Amino acid sequence: DAKTTQPTSMDCAEGRAANLPCNHSTISGNEYVYWYRQIHSQGPQYIIHGLKNNETNEMASLIITEDRKSSTLILPHATLRDTAVYYCIVRVPPLLNSNSGYALNFGKGTSLLVTP
Amino acid sequence: GAGVSQTPSNKVTEKGKYVELRCDPISGHTALYWYRQSLGQGPEFLIYFQGTGAADDSGLPNDRFFAVRPEGSVSTLKIQRTERGDSAVYLCASSALRVSNTGELFFGEGSRLTVL
Repeated sequence: DAKTTQPTSMDCAEGRAANLPCNHSTISGNEYVYWYRQIHSQGPQYIIHGLKNNETNEMASLIITEDRKSSTLILPHATLRDTAVYYCIVRVPPLLNSNSGYALNFGKGTSLLVTP
Repeated sequence: GAGVSQTPSNKVTEKGKYVELRCDPISGHTALYWYRQSLGQGPEFLIYFQGTGAADDSGLPNDRFFAVRPEGSVSTLKIQRTERGDSAVYLCASSALRVSNTGELFFGEGSRLTVL
């Protein structure tokens, strides 16, 4: 799986958009970008994933650059409950690679603090 | 319940003792994963089961660690001769591998192991 680079920490004011960047310059053509988050004392939670098109769901939006070497997770209106560690992960989905171990490599992520 | 269930939530043991941690995945999920998370680090992959068999155990740190999933549902992570360095949160996740699925993992709350 390609390596990702994320800032160690970020702050965001409540109600504002939180934009979390991720660099994945060595991403290969069949690797997807996944985002998970981990709220304190809980297990990681899936947020969103994408290949090359921008994606949006009820939790967040994912913007992937045209060259796919970086992406941004956007929380449009951050709340205090969004304070968490956010992980950007690049991998081939298991059904596209029968040899994949399916394991996610989390790294250290970005610690997002949403302040009142 | 509907989510991944892990027991015990907390376990304190003495160095050298044997420990078992249990994971009850989401019903119908054929894939099951164990991760370990130390303080301040992202989750670290240990082992992955597809059905009853361990498809990838490359993350197990040494032969003191072993995991089973005899009926393809509940899994037990077993740690022999525990050491202080084994202290961590042990996370279990499950996943449904279907054509429509792109590998989203559902995590439990974790079992916090403290070795004194």
